[in-house]
Amino acid sequence: DAGVIQSPRHEVTEMGQEVTLRCKPISGHDYLFWYRQTMMRGLELLIYFNNNVPIDDSGMPEDRFSAKMPNASFSTLKIQPSEPRDSAVYFCASSPYGTGKATEAFFGQGTRLTVV
Amino acid sequence: AQKVTQAQTEISVVEKEDVTLDCVYETRDTTYYLFWYKQPPSGELVFLIRRNSFDEQNEISGRYSWNFQKSTSSFNFTITASQVVDSAVYFCALSEARRGTYKYIFGTGTRLKVLA
Repeated sequence: DAGVIQSPRHEVTEMGQEVTLRCKPISGHDYLFWYRQTMMRGLELLIYFNNNVPIDDSGMPEDRFSAKMPNASFSTLKIQPSEPRDSAVYFCASSPYGTGKATEAFFGQGTRLTVV
Repeated sequence: AQKVTQAQTEISVVEKEDVTLDCVYETRDTTYYLFWYKQPPSGELVFLIRRNSFDEQNEISGRYSWNFQKSTSSFNFTITASQVVDSAVYFCALSEARRGTYKYIFGTGTRLKVLA
């Protein structure tokens, strides 16, 4: 398997623009997670899905952030409008947790977002 | 509520020294899972080990060893004879196992610098 695939790897955008980050989880994994990493706050869980359904979005910082998972093989994290303080590395991860056996989360390479 | 504390922000050692990274966790669940991840300078998150709450056996993998003690809610990680390639940020994570609410909570990480 190719692992969790995120795109783009790097994104530079101007304040106020819409940004969409994409993630393809590992096939067969029924949990998908979006994390944000910054120096100040470390790795924060933004939202996670189970079988394409959002389970907990309490980590989403503001209404400017939204996430969708239209099918088992694709998820997006959208920021509209973007602000400089959104600059961070955004990670997507997936896990086959739903099989009833706990396991580790597998992470993508991350998207480094810079909002200028 | 879940919480993971990595009190050591940064550690510097000279190559071949042993180093222990501390991790203390909080959870109200009796069933939970603990993890260690490595984040090298390239930025990806690499899984190192998983432990469940019912298995307090220490584990050794090459130069790496882990000490899990439920009595002190700690899951410490030791690198023996450290090498420059061990330089990275190391994260400890916790996941509770209540069905449908699986998520991974990370500590703030410990940056390890191994000097030649």
